[in-house]
Amino acid sequence: KAGVTQTPRYLIKTRGQQVTLSCSPISGHRSVSWYQQTPGQGLQFLFEYFSETQRNKGNFPGRFSGRQFSNSRSEMNVSTLELGDSALYLCASSAGLQETQYFGPGTRLLVL
Amino acid sequence: AQSVTQLGSHVSVSEGALVLLRCNYSSSVPPYLFWYVQYPNQGLQLLLKYTTGATLVKGINGFEAEFKKSETSFHLTKPSAHMSDAAEYFCAVSEPRRDDKIIFGKGTRLHILP
Repeated sequence: KAGVTQTPRYLIKTRGQQVTLSCSPISGHRSVSWYQQTPGQGLQFLFEYFSETQRNKGNFPGRFSGRQFSNSRSEMNVSTLELGDSALYLCASSAGLQETQYFGPGTRLLVL
Repeated sequence: AQSVTQLGSHVSVSEGALVLLRCNYSSSVPPYLFWYVQYPNQGLQLLLKYTTGATLVKGINGFEAEFKKSETSFHLTKPSAHMSDAAEYFCAVSEPRRDDKIIFGKGTRLHILP
């Protein structure tokens, strides 16, 4: 089975722009979660989707949003980028609720 | 709300020596506990997890962890360190009967000395 894939792997944007990151879960997995990883804050939970519905949201501003499609693929969007949004964004998928999460390689976003 | 504390942001051990990475958690319900490893420029890989049952959990690459409820700990050990174990290790907790959100510790970078 192919693992979790994330595109793009690297991205450079400037302040004020917006960005969309994509995550394709493992085939058959219906739950997708997103995390932000930075040297200062570590790994922080962004949100979780299951069957196209957002089940959980972390403590991030409304500039961070996401969605999940009927094929379980997920996208997250960050609008009005700030320098502090530079981070590694990790996506994880699981077969269902309370199942083990498997992580993708991440998208490294640099905001200039 | 659940939380995780990893003691020591950097740990150095000699090759062949015992690896011990410490993790303490807090949770208001019986937790699920995890250890993940992250190699440079890669995502997280699950080493092992505790859900219910046997408190000594064996994972991949010779690692194991013991759930100690009385100490609210879930320390990770490996009897003999190998150079390839050099990586960052994250302890994590979730509260399965509340939500599936995973809360991670700050991570411990393991250095292996030749």
